[in-house]
Amino acid sequence: DAGVIQSPRHEVTEMGQEVTLRCKPISGHNSLFWYRQTMMRGLELLIYFNNNVPIDDSGMPEDRFSAKMPNASFSTLKIQPSEPRDSAVYFCASSLGVASPLHFGNGTRLTVT
Amino acid sequence: DQQVKQNSPSLSVQEGRISILNCDYTNSMFDYFLWYKKYPAEGPTFLISISSIKDKNEDGRFTVFLNKSAKHLSLHIVPSQPGDSAVYFCAASDDNFNKFYFGSGTKLNVKP
Repeated sequence: DAGVIQSPRHEVTEMGQEVTLRCKPISGHNSLFWYRQTMMRGLELLIYFNNNVPIDDSGMPEDRFSAKMPNASFSTLKIQPSEPRDSAVYFCASSLGVASPLHFGNGTRLTVT
Repeated sequence: DQQVKQNSPSLSVQEGRISILNCDYTNSMFDYFLWYKKYPAEGPTFLISISSIKDKNEDGRFTVFLNKSAKHLSLHIVPSQPGDSAVYFCAASDDNFNKFYFGSGTKLNVKP
């Protein structure tokens, strides 16, 4: 039973470069979430989708961040251009829907130099 | 403005004893609560949940208690084992599309 799969596990890039993080949710789950974890802010919700439709993107820090979910089995989070303050661990999670627990991937550790 | 707070950043407990992790929330509309465990370099793993219609839920060594009037929940681990050493997060949501708010986490260290 494959869990939520994220790639890459680690990403090191230079300031100004485009970064794309990828997520494959658990099959059958209809909600997908992108979280960011930092020392200062803990786990913060960036955006979530329900049935591939973005429901709430109020947590996306600024226009440099964008997320897509072209189908039920794939989502991307893109940062363009990246900045050092974007350095964090980015988690993707999926769930069956309302009142269901989130299942997290192992995260992508992003370092922007 | 954190809606879910874990005021103890760390907790140390002797193996075999009880571990009690606490969590407070401010939004009275929250009606579903979760606890997660996180090991380094891994994603958070779901442990146990409770809905607002209950005040207690048990799963093996783990019990979650909910006090709605105090807006407080706690996770009890009995008996604690060294493998329980991890960071524990509580999370809460209302019924609005499953949006979860997480606390900042408590690092539990169970000493052998």
